Amino acid sequence: KQEVTQIPAALSVPEGENLVLNCSFTDSAIYNLQWFRQDPGKGLTSLLLIQSSQREQTSGRLNASLDKSSGRSTLYIAASQPGDSATYLCAVSQGGSEKLVFGKGTKLTVNP
Amino acid sequence: GAVVSQHPSWVICKSGTSVKIECRSLDFQATTMFWYRQFPKQSLMLMATSNEGSKATYEQGVEKDKFLINHASLTLSTLTVTSAHPEDSSFYICSARDPFQVYNEQFFGPGTRLTVL
Repeated sequence: KQEVTQIPAALSVPEGENLVLNCSFTDSAIYNLQWFRQDPGKGLTSLLLIQSSQREQTSGRLNASLDKSSGRSTLYIAASQPGDSATYLCAVSQGGSEKLVFGKGTKLTVNP
Repeated sequence: GAVVSQHPSWVICKSGTSVKIECRSLDFQATTMFWYRQFPKQSLMLMATSNEGSKATYEQGVEKDKFLINHASLTLSTLTVTSAHPEDSSFYICSARDPFQVYNEQFFGPGTRLTVL
């Protein structure tokens, strides 16, 4: 059974700092991995999707990497801003299945 | 990008009543929709997969007679929580898969906060 773990559970940084969020998964036979952002009481906003054959994806100040063999992904946020404050969720889908398995998320607070 | 809406955004009901939540794909036709539940400080847990024109597939431990799912059209799926109890209070989120998008990407609705008194 696939399990997704995100470390740390919470992170507080000053504005302007670069930071890394971590995601690990137990079964490396994934189809893709997605990073989402969730604001309090809101739905999910997709940030980046990495196919199992890819090593990284970039969008603006965000860069996500994937090391499928070791079961790890990182989300790098450059020059953090207070507007980046949210919970970041990592989710994986298994090969042949549309189901997403989510981690518990990392709650990020960027202080002005 | 693809847009998914949910209605209502929040609902409060008395114990024993039934509540219906709608999930709509606004700018694409979704052959498959998913229903998730999220408890405070927990991750999203998949409840069921809803396929247009057929019965939903429920995850282990989810009561199909309690959580009724109907996917009557390519743009609408509904989740009905029957005989709701306080322990059903949660944040319910739906997602939809656009079959024309590569990589099985799912697009999520804004969620519905259910509070059962």
